[in-house]
Amino acid sequence: KAGVTQTPRYLIKTRGQQVTLSCSPISGHRSVSWYQQTPGQGLQFLFEYFSETQRNKGNFPGRFSGRQFSNSRSEMNVSTLELGDSALYLCASQGGGAGGELFFGEGSRLTVL
Amino acid sequence: AQRVTQPEKLLSVFKGAPVELKCNYSYSGSPELFWYVQYSRQRLQLLLRHISRESIKGFTADLNKGETSFHLKKPFAQEEDSAMYYCALSFDSIQGAQKLVFGQGTRLTINP
Repeated sequence: KAGVTQTPRYLIKTRGQQVTLSCSPISGHRSVSWYQQTPGQGLQFLFEYFSETQRNKGNFPGRFSGRQFSNSRSEMNVSTLELGDSALYLCASQGGGAGGELFFGEGSRLTVL
Repeated sequence: AQRVTQPEKLLSVFKGAPVELKCNYSYSGSPELFWYVQYSRQRLQLLLRHISRESIKGFTADLNKGETSFHLKKPFAQEEDSAMYYCALSFDSIQGAQKLVFGQGTRLTINP
């Protein structure tokens, strides 16, 4: 079974630009969550999607958005990039059942110059 | 608000010594707690969950509701235990779905 796949793995943007990151969950998993990982803040929850609906949202500004498609693939978008958005963005998928294990991708490392 | 606190950002112990990674949580309901681990150049992965009450790679963690803690312990550390460890709390969000929040992580280094 293929794991969670994230693309691109690395990208460099400049302030003010926007970026779209993609996540393909494990086949059969309908829940996809996004996290921002930084050395100073650790893992911070961005949002979670299930069956194309956003079920949970973290405390991030509206510049951070996401969506999920009918095949459970998910994208997140960050507009008007700021230097502080530089981070590793992790996607995780989850199978059925409450409190289930999260399976993480390798992440997309975003650098904002 | 729901919160997970890992007071130690860095922890260094010698091989063969006992290790304890601390985790405290804040949640008024019935918590579900996890430990996730990230080895060098590997993905973040589940190590253990309190509900299963199992020992994984020699690690155990006991939920102490009185102290709101879920410390991770291993009696004899091994070099391959060096990694980043995250404690996580799962709870029902207002929207009715499960939400997972992580602590800031503890980087464990096992010295030979």
